[in-house]
Amino acid sequence: DQQVKQNSPSLSVQEGRISILNCDYTNSMFDYFLWYKKYPAEGPTFLISISSIKDKNEDGRFTVFLNKSAKHLSLHIVPSQPGDSAVYFCAARKDSNYQLIWGAGTKLIIKP
Amino acid sequence: DVKVTQSSRYLVKRTGEKVFLECVQDMDHENMFWYRQDPGLGLRLIYFSYDVKMKEKGDIPEGYSVSREKKERFSLILESASTNQTSMYLCASSQLRDRGLRETQYFGPGTRLLVL
Repeated sequence: DQQVKQNSPSLSVQEGRISILNCDYTNSMFDYFLWYKKYPAEGPTFLISISSIKDKNEDGRFTVFLNKSAKHLSLHIVPSQPGDSAVYFCAARKDSNYQLIWGAGTKLIIKP
Repeated sequence: DVKVTQSSRYLVKRTGEKVFLECVQDMDHENMFWYRQDPGLGLRLIYFSYDVKMKEKGDIPEGYSVSREKKERFSLILESASTNQTSMYLCASSQLRDRGLRETQYFGPGTRLLVL
């Protein structure tokens, strides 16, 4: 039973355009969401997060939007750059737990 | 900068062998985690530890055990390796300053294990 779903295994975007990565979750007890980025042969690195009390968090080219009623979050990257090509994981946490629940990841390919 | 290191980047073992994967973090983090990453499945938590000598089962603990004798070191043990344990193993650590605050997990580079 996947509580965090990333339904697109891959996404291809032209350099300079906007990349939108999506994530859906089923557990309304999740109160904190994170996006991680992973290059091949490296561990994931933290990118951006959002608390459930917010609907938007922005950090430079990266913005995460949270729609609690739809149990949906998205990561926007604008403008997309070649170095953004990586696998992006969405993760969620329940307040009372140390664990993160992870999505399967979306491979983003930025075309020159 | 937080640094999480893993003892091996690549490992090849035979079925039935006992396998040790070591993880060390240098930021005095309380929490440490072991995940495996498989294509299409994302990261799945095997075990985690929130203190020395403490351990908690994650989602897929079967066939694995862990050891945390020192705060900075968290070991994953495959008692008798099997081919279905071929995977990428990722160690992570995080600092829980307060139960009300959010912690970020920092990952090591991963160990790609092949069991023949």
